Amino acid sequence: DIQMTQSPSFLSASVGDRVIITCRASQGIRNDLGWYQQKPGKAPKRLIYAASSLQSGVPSRFSGSGSGTEFTLTISSLQPEDFATYYCLQYNSYPRTFGQGTKVEIK
Amino acid sequence: QVQLVQSGAEVKKPGASVKVSCKASGYTLSSYYITWVRQAPGQGLEWMGWITAYNGNTKYAQNFQGRVTMTTDTSTNTANMELTSLTSDDTAVYYCARGLDAFDIWGQGTMVIVSS
Repeated sequence: DIQMTQSPSFLSASVGDRVIITCRASQGIRNDLGWYQQKPGKAPKRLIYAASSLQSGVPSRFSGSGSGTEFTLTISSLQPEDFATYYCLQYNSYPRTFGQGTKVEIK
Repeated sequence: QVQLVQSGAEVKKPGASVKVSCKASGYTLSSYYITWVRQAPGQGLEWMGWITAYNGNTKYAQNFQGRVTMTTDTSTNTANMELTSLTSDDTAVYYCARGLDAFDIWGQGTMVIVSS
């Protein structure tokens, strides 16, 4: 199975901060990676697919980059509604695997 | 409006089975795969497998082989996931999601509690 390791697991930040979350795959997955945002009691919401393609309707302050084994999700200017848990997902091979999550909290 | 609406919460005893449904609206179920993902309380996301209503093909995660059955009913545009031989470790929110890989639309989730 491909292991997806996110860092950090927890992040404390202020409104307006630039936030970077990293996801590392245990083997190369080309650009077969998505990023999801999940708020308490809600289903995950897709933000990014194919490593860097922005989901329609998602604010442009979210961006993704990377290929192979190293990926990043960047929030250029953190907004109050962005406090949530973020997950990466690899869909290069089976079983599909998620990162363990990064919780972004208010500083 | 494209959406997936799931059935309500369930409480089951150990050893029992549960069936969760996922009704698609705003699109035809057979046009996309349906994937199932679960999330134990306070934990991360776990992929369970997928089904395509086009021909009924399925692919299950090794962890659930022999215990999970995914089906579809094209007449009602609904996908179903049945999990048998439940234990307390199966207590989780179960989600359906549209797609084979980068799942774009998710159901609201169905809480399944396994308790004696």
